[in-house]
Amino acid sequence: EPEVTQTPSHQVTQMGQEVILRCVPISNHLYFYWYRQILGQKVEFLVSFYNNEISEKSEIFDDQFSVERPDGSNFTLKIRSTKLEDSAMYFCASSRATGAGANVLTFGAGSRLTVL
Amino acid sequence: RKEVEQDPGPFNVPEGATVAFNCTYSNSASQSFFWYRQDCRKEPKLLMSVYSSGNEDGRFTAQLNRASQYISLLIRDSKLSDSATYLCVVNTAGNMLTFGGGTRLMVKP
Repeated sequence: EPEVTQTPSHQVTQMGQEVILRCVPISNHLYFYWYRQILGQKVEFLVSFYNNEISEKSEIFDDQFSVERPDGSNFTLKIRSTKLEDSAMYFCASSRATGAGANVLTFGAGSRLTVL
Repeated sequence: RKEVEQDPGPFNVPEGATVAFNCTYSNSASQSFFWYRQDCRKEPKLLMSVYSSGNEDGRFTAQLNRASQYISLLIRDSKLSDSATYLCVVNTAGNMLTFGGGTRLMVKP
């Protein structure tokens, strides 16, 4: 079964450092997403990406965050100047299409970010 | 009002029981509805999409009530392996999916 893969599975960083989380979406999927889940809280939408540009982003996705598809397979989330409150599980997801009934997301296993 | 609201539970039920979860959403323009399942410290996994006419997948039945803006999930003949958090997911704008806080189910022997 095709899957979304994420690296690293866990990253520990010092406050103020930059981190890059990497994702390889399912190969024939066209839409890519980042979500985050702070421990004990709900899954929160960060950003969606299609055709090499951001299609939607939430209030959480401010100038500290950026996404990129540097090549034909990887999709990255960069977090600059990390804060303690950025500690969370970051999930990458992809879907074949969007629109009513079509935007079924497949999630990766997540990257746990711990900011000290 | 929260965009997608669920009773957090936990629902503690014995094996074989029938259990139902509800979810309400605030955006009347929402078009896509899903139930996802999340095991502890794992990624959400699609359980089933929810269609206007209601749909069933084995022991799981999903219903959508657009007039009242709620979605339900019924699990029959609960198994120990059904223990998880069940996430109600609704598209609130474009291709942005909004998750509810989840309802935790614990099935006991």
